Amino acid sequence: DAKTTQPNSMESNEEEPVHLPCNHSTISGTDYIHWYRQLPSQGPEYVIHGLTSNVNNRMASLAIAEDRKSSTLILHRATLRDAAVYYCILRRNNQGGKLIFGQGTELSVKP
Amino acid sequence: EPEVTQTPSHQVTQMGQEVILRCVPISNHLYFYWYRQILGQKVEFLVSFYNNEISEKSEIFDDQFSVERPDGSNFTLKIRSTKLEDSAMYFCASRGTGAGSYNSPLHFGNGTRLTVT
Repeated sequence: DAKTTQPNSMESNEEEPVHLPCNHSTISGTDYIHWYRQLPSQGPEYVIHGLTSNVNNRMASLAIAEDRKSSTLILHRATLRDAAVYYCILRRNNQGGKLIFGQGTELSVKP
Repeated sequence: EPEVTQTPSHQVTQMGQEVILRCVPISNHLYFYWYRQILGQKVEFLVSFYNNEISEKSEIFDDQFSVERPDGSNFTLKIRSTKLEDSAMYFCASRGTGAGSYNSPLHFGNGTRLTVT
């Protein structure tokens, strides 16, 4: 499975935008970029995914570099509830659909 | 919104005992997964299950582990003879199927904390 690299931790202020980076220089053409997050004491939660184009949903936006070797998860206005570990995962477009988690980025949000 | 439910939330067992962790996936989902997370470590894939058989498993999922879908709603993980190092959070997940579903998200439960003493 192709590897992703994320910073171990980031800090943000409440109500400010947050940009969480992810490098995936060995991405293959069939790999989708998925983001999940894990709030304290909870299971992972799906955030967003994309292949080549930027994507928006009610939780976040995903900006994908033109060469697909990096991506950025954007939280437009961080809240205290967004404090979590954020995982950037490459997922092959096959039927099994498993996710392989890395260490992720621990985001803390200051009031 | 439908959710994956796991029971019990916390299970304490003695080393060498068998444990069964239970999960009720989202009702129209057909792909099921177990993951574990040792305290302070990353979430690790154990096994995926589809059409009443294991479709993929990791090196962690050795002969001590088994999975079953005993009826139309439950999905279980059994550990035959627990070891101290099996202490972890165990997460069940499910996802949908059908056209365009290959990249459908996994929905996770909130886990069962297994403590082996």
